[in-house]
Amino acid sequence: GENVEQHPSTLSVQEGDSAVIKCTYSDSASNYFPWYKQELGKRPQLIIDIRSNVGEKKDQRIAVTLNKTAKHFSLHITETQPEDSAVYFCAASRNSGGYQKVTFGTGTKLQVIP
Amino acid sequence: SAVISQKPSRDICQRGTSLTIQCQVDSQVTMMFWYRQQPGQSLTLIATANQGSEATYESGFVIDKFPISRPNLTFSTLTVSNMSPEDSSIYLCSVDSGVNEKLFFGSGTQLSVL
Repeated sequence: GENVEQHPSTLSVQEGDSAVIKCTYSDSASNYFPWYKQELGKRPQLIIDIRSNVGEKKDQRIAVTLNKTAKHFSLHITETQPEDSAVYFCAASRNSGGYQKVTFGTGTKLQVIP
Repeated sequence: SAVISQKPSRDICQRGTSLTIQCQVDSQVTMMFWYRQQPGQSLTLIATANQGSEATYESGFVIDKFPISRPNLTFSTLTVSNMSPEDSSIYLCSVDSGVNEKLFFGSGTQLSVL
């Protein structure tokens, strides 16, 4: 089955600096890569996603890159703010019997220091 | 995105008992998914529930321990049976948006087993 590795497990940055979280996946059939943000005690929220036919996608301060050949994808947050503090999960998704099966990474706890 | 209501939001249970978690969606969806999130951990798929057929369980999860019902296209239940302290987790239901594969989560059920 799919295996998604995520690094680092914790990340502290100063407010205004950038944060980068990296993931690798194992299944070449994975074709959709969402990123989720989970604040303490709340549900995971989809913040950005990318498909395998795209190399990069940006939404305001958040960007994702995908290297399909190397099976790497990354989340970049620029100009970090304290409200960006949360746990971030990457995921890899593939079609499995008519639905998309999603495998999550192990999570990165991001702390933005004011 | 779909509005997903989950209840109870939290419960404290005695070992050996069972708890049924309900998940209601405000629109019809083909697939519903149940995830477990152990303390400080990532999200692990328990099973996939398709209306009108038996749920499909992931490796390590069995129907006797986690029976699932899916009586219609907007509702599902997950029962955690014969609970032990190791079952203490957050349980999340989720649905995908169908066409574009985005996965959305319910608010979760925080379960503590004494």
